Amino acid sequence: EVELLESGGGLVQPGGSLRLSCAASGFTFRSYAMSWVRQAPGKGLEWVSVISGSGGSTDYADSVKGRFTISRDNSKNTLYLQMNSLRAEDTAVYYCAKEGGSYLDLDYWGQGTLVTVSS
Amino acid sequence: DIQMTQSPSSLSASVGDRVTITCQASQSIRSYLNWYQQKPGTAPKLLIYAASSLQSGVPSRFSGSGSGTDFTLTISSLQPEDFATYYCQQSYSAPRTFGPGTKVDIK
Repeated sequence: EVELLESGGGLVQPGGSLRLSCAASGFTFRSYAMSWVRQAPGKGLEWVSVISGSGGSTDYADSVKGRFTISRDNSKNTLYLQMNSLRAEDTAVYYCAKEGGSYLDLDYWGQGTLVTVSS
Repeated sequence: DIQMTQSPSSLSASVGDRVTITCQASQSIRSYLNWYQQKPGTAPKLLIYAASSLQSGVPSRFSGSGSGTDFTLTISSLQPEDFATYYCQQSYSAPRTFGPGTKVDIK
């Protein structure tokens, strides 16, 4: 059974940093691209970033480019999101999600971790 | 970047109703269109991928159609568990944008 478990969320001051983790199990982690998607309180879904199975290719939303870094450790079956220079507008629940197949859909999602940026 | 729009933004319907939600892309995305369902306090769930393919385990009352720029999600007979928010997402190119969502609630 596929499981994705995010951790690392919490309260951080504006300008601060936080690293999210997503522990994966139940599938061959290195074979699948992984994404981060966020949802601000009461708002819709916003795609944040994607990383290929090997980790050699990444993409970001314009809103986080230059501040966030996605990475993965395939030996630990873990996905990461390093978030720097955090802003109030980064406050959201952050979900990790697994890509399903050739149409790049997100077929499994974690339960999410809340990041609150506030002084 | 590809912009996604959805209509309506919300709708009220009764159990047994046929419901249709539309999604439009700002440029052609071929069939790289996915639909998700989200209930309050829970993670999104994949319903339809590649515009019209039903994800495993999803009831057959859900169906998707379209290609290019115009897409539709149809629920043939709305059930109590279908009251939720529905999002489309293009996976043709990064950033892989989501639509703003359509909230389906009880009439």
